[in-house]
Amino acid sequence: DTGVSQDPRHKITKRGQNVTFRCDPISEHNRLYWYRQTLGQGPEFLTYFQNEAQLEKSRLLSDRFSAERPKGSFSTLEIQRTEQGDSAMYLCATVGGWGTNEKLFFGSGTQLSVL
Amino acid sequence: GQQLNQSPQSMFIQEGEDVSMNCTSSSIFNTWLWYKQDPGEGPVLLIALYKAGELTSNGRLTAQFGITRKDSFLNISASIPSDVGIYFCAGQRRSQGGSEKLVFGKGTKLTVNP
Repeated sequence: DTGVSQDPRHKITKRGQNVTFRCDPISEHNRLYWYRQTLGQGPEFLTYFQNEAQLEKSRLLSDRFSAERPKGSFSTLEIQRTEQGDSAMYLCATVGGWGTNEKLFFGSGTQLSVL
Repeated sequence: GQQLNQSPQSMFIQEGEDVSMNCTSSSIFNTWLWYKQDPGEGPVLLIALYKAGELTSNGRLTAQFGITRKDSFLNISASIPSDVGIYFCAGQRRSQGGSEKLVFGKGTKLTVNP
């Protein structure tokens, strides 16, 4: 257990529905990332928060995706009007340490299946 | 999105054998990391490398940061059944937005036969 908590672990939804995932980071980590991982691939960067500020978004993050991190604590990732291509593992990661002590810790992920 | 070239894609070995896998990139990274992922779980950090030429060990695992900063390798000695899983390399660089996002390889799936 890395201390990064994600909920739910699994989500099955019908195409066109909206879904929301939550990530609770390690408490002292102010930097938070969302990644997406499809079968047979490595994780791909979606977006990055430093405290409550969303500082970077990938081109993978279409306008149906929105992420928030109110108060710089937990974060949510919402997908509107889901499509079958959204089926993937959504991973949250937080960063501890600085410089040569910097390490990225992942949660267990939310596995999304869009039917 | 951009991904690193990781090889081999899969390995089938006997318990006790040594394993080697590597990652290459066309661009330079400031940090190389190696992760292991079990089915249905997130990646778990194994080794982090911060300087070109650095050689770091973690138990039976040894990893090196290539001197060109464009490659890294991971060795596992005397493999055991619990080494089974998918191993990912990841390169890290600082972007304009200030994030230190990781770029991952496609993974090496390791199977260890007892």
